Amino acid sequence: EPEVTQTPSHQVTQMGQEVILRCVPISNHLYFYWYRQILGQKVEFLVSFYNNEISEKSEIFDDQFSVERPDGSNFTLKIRSTKLEDSAMYFCASSTGPTSGNTIYFGEGSWLTVV
Amino acid sequence: LAKTTQPISMDSYEGQEVNITCSHNNIATNDYITWYQQFPSQGPRFIIQGYKTKVTNEVASLFIPADRKSSTLSLPRVSLSDTAVYYCLVAPMDSSYKLIFGSGTRLLVRP
Repeated sequence: EPEVTQTPSHQVTQMGQEVILRCVPISNHLYFYWYRQILGQKVEFLVSFYNNEISEKSEIFDDQFSVERPDGSNFTLKIRSTKLEDSAMYFCASSTGPTSGNTIYFGEGSWLTVV
Repeated sequence: LAKTTQPISMDSYEGQEVNITCSHNNIATNDYITWYQQFPSQGPRFIIQGYKTKVTNEVASLFIPADRKSSTLSLPRVSLSDTAVYYCLVAPMDSSYKLIFGSGTRLLVRP
């Protein structure tokens, strides 16, 4: 079964540093997403991305966050100046279509620890 | 979006059938019901989706009564590897894809 792959699996960074999390969505998918899950809490939507632009974002996705599809295969989440509260598992996801009628596939996650 | 209510946790034993019921009293006419599974430190994984009556795939069955105010995910003959959190989500089929996860049901399968 095709899968979404994410790197790194775990990253430790100092507060204030920039972090880039990388994802390779499933190849024929056109819609891409980032979610996050703070330890012990719910999975939270961050942003959706289509046709090289953000289609929807949550309140969490403030100016410190950005997303990019730098080439035909990668999808990245950048956190410009990390805060302690950014420590979480970040999940990339992709789907063929934009609605809940299309199955969304999640990656294994990138665990970010900010110290 | 319709609010969902599920049990916080359930225990079962290997080989048993497990039924997890989700309540969604204010489900709308164009809402679909989707279930995801999440193992510790992994991303959610789609299990099954349905609108009414019964849907079955190789992993599970989904039972939806006529009033659609609840749904039941049925896992036949669970194994230890089915220990996970199971999420019930309700959203319009044509809504933008922003999944709203609740707390889910923590299923523990014992030997």
